[in-house]
Amino acid sequence: SAVISQKPSRDICQRGTSLTIQCQVDSQVTMMFWYRQQPGQSLTLIATANQGSEATYESGFVIDKFPISRPNLTFSTLTVSNMSPEDSSIYLCSVLGNEQFFGPGTRLTVL
Amino acid sequence: AQSVSQHNHHVILSEAASLELGCNYSYGGTVNLFWYVQYPGQHLQLLLKYFSGDPLVKGIKGFEAEFIKSKFSFNLRKPSVQWSDTAEYFCAVTSMDSSYKLIFGSGTRLLVRP
Repeated sequence: SAVISQKPSRDICQRGTSLTIQCQVDSQVTMMFWYRQQPGQSLTLIATANQGSEATYESGFVIDKFPISRPNLTFSTLTVSNMSPEDSSIYLCSVLGNEQFFGPGTRLTVL
Repeated sequence: AQSVSQHNHHVILSEAASLELGCNYSYGGTVNLFWYVQYPGQHLQLLLKYFSGDPLVKGIKGFEAEFIKSKFSFNLRKPSVQWSDTAEYFCAVTSMDSSYKLIFGSGTRLLVRP
């Protein structure tokens, strides 16, 4: 199994600002993902974080809004840019091993 | 677009009651199916999965799920729930364009009263 940590665990931010969320895994993994869970809704895949190349974004998500870095096989960051209240969500990092493992999530509130 | 429907958003049961949570998915091709559970204050974790073979899948903690292809369903069951089963349960299916992308249902919050 993979142990995943995320920082910060929660934050309250002002609209128009940006927040970078970190995801650290205890072992090297090829595939890392970022999901969003809006209040009362299901988890939605934002993008696949690719090591050494640009992330692959799902429909409805763009790099300018959610830039992602993946400098190595154990670490990734997701930035939520120019935030608005609609970005208030839980953001989860996940990795693919013999199953998909999820981090604890970052609860973001935008005022 | 693919979708996953979980019909029960909130379920309240007494201990020892039987549980069945519904899950239907929209894609008619080959898919992999999952149930995840999130206990209060904990990470999302895999409860059970179906890739192929016996459509009745057994998972951890006494849970099982049955894949019925003709109904596009993958319902989760447990014959006798415990207070410790209080959690949120998510059904998920792999995307038809990728075997590793997951599409989740909206979740079912289960409260088991002691």
